[in-house]
Amino acid sequence: NAGVTQTPKFRVLKTGQSMTLLCAQDMNHEYMYWYRQDPGMGLRLIHYSVGEGTTAKGEVPDGYNVSRLKKQNFLLGLESAAPSQTSVYFCASSYSVVRGYTFGSGTRLTVV
Amino acid sequence: AQTVTQSQPEMSVQEAETVTLSCTYDTSESDYYLFWYKQPPSRQMILVIRQEAYKQQNATENRFSVNFQKAAKSFSLKISDSQLGDAAMYFCAYSHLRDDKIIFGKGTRLHILP
Repeated sequence: NAGVTQTPKFRVLKTGQSMTLLCAQDMNHEYMYWYRQDPGMGLRLIHYSVGEGTTAKGEVPDGYNVSRLKKQNFLLGLESAAPSQTSVYFCASSYSVVRGYTFGSGTRLTVV
Repeated sequence: AQTVTQSQPEMSVQEAETVTLSCTYDTSESDYYLFWYKQPPSRQMILVIRQEAYKQQNATENRFSVNFQKAAKSFSLKISDSQLGDAAMYFCAYSHLRDDKIIFGKGTRLHILP
């Protein structure tokens, strides 16, 4: 049982480049999330999804887009990377939010 | 809007001693859930303990327990017999029954001194 898998684990981008982070879960969870973690800022919600085909904005959505075409996958896209998007990105999923999340192992993204 | 505040950015404790991490939250909801997550140097986020607001009994998980004070909106984490493997960032978090997401505090980094 893999749980939540994020790819890639590390990435370096040049300013202006685009990329997609993939999150896959094998637990049949309805809810999926993308957070970013920055020093002293905790975890901030970027976008989330409450089911296949749905997406919603979180606290810090600007500069990111997401898609949930299949229930098990949640993609996070950066169309034109900026140094301010240098961060550790976490994907999470949940069967029921009040029971907590299962997290992926994170992606460290550096934009130079 | 709901907020979660962890007032201690860093703490240190001697191995085998007991340490308490503080957390306060602000909400107007009555049905909600509180969590403590641990993030060790491996970066993996691990759910340590969960508390349902309607339960008066404090949750415990082995050496980890909480002190839940609903009226004061306080949710502290107590780690007994601290071990080197407890060194991590700890996040307090909140969600209410009708919400679709969890709100996290900024974290407390815990150092264990041998």
